[in-house]
Amino acid sequence: AQKVTQAQTEISVVEKEDVTLDCVYETRDTTYYLFWYKQPPSGELVFLIRRNSFDEQNEISGRYSWNFQKSTSSFNFTITASQVVDSAVYFCALSEASTGGGNKLTFGTGTQLKVEL
Amino acid sequence: DSGVTQTPKHLITATGQRVTLRCSPRSGDLSVYWYQQSLDQGLQFLIQYYNGEERAKGNILERFSAQQFPDLHSELNLSSLELGDSALYFCASSAGTGVWNEQFFGPGTRLTVL
Repeated sequence: AQKVTQAQTEISVVEKEDVTLDCVYETRDTTYYLFWYKQPPSGELVFLIRRNSFDEQNEISGRYSWNFQKSTSSFNFTITASQVVDSAVYFCALSEASTGGGNKLTFGTGTQLKVEL
Repeated sequence: DSGVTQTPKHLITATGQRVTLRCSPRSGDLSVYWYQQSLDQGLQFLIQYYNGEERAKGNILERFSAQQFPDLHSELNLSSLELGDSALYFCASSAGTGVWNEQFFGPGTRLTVL
């Protein structure tokens, strides 16, 4: 079975600091996709980024960047120059194919990020 | 705004009752997913439908059922409700069924069972 582990339960930083959220996953699939979602205090889940299993090139999008390392099964997410509005719970998720032709997301337990002034 | 709508936003009911949660996917999306978020279990996948057909099933209780209608909206039916069913229920949609599809989530329905 697939598993996603987010060991950091809560992180507190001061505004403008960089922060990295860790994610480790387990899967037997050779092709898979990883995602990061954000859940602000308002409660909705917001899609942030997606990465496939066969491209280990790290990317940057604005203040977000991600580091995917297949050898260590890690998919870490970094926010540069954090802002108070970044305060939220961040979820790492692994997409798994289903025998019925569908798919599902397996989520980690989330990391609560608090950015203070 | 993800484009996925869910009604109602809040639902308060008693144990033993039955409720129906409704979801409308983003325009053009054929897949609908249901997830449950609780303090005990975290975010758990329940079930997926694609163009009216069930395509994936998670640890969904037998007391729970879902369907997707020809207009692509979906309903999640929860019956014989127990205190432990209190949770935030999310609907998500995506264009297709492949693992690469990002899922866009609705605002959720918060169910409280008293």
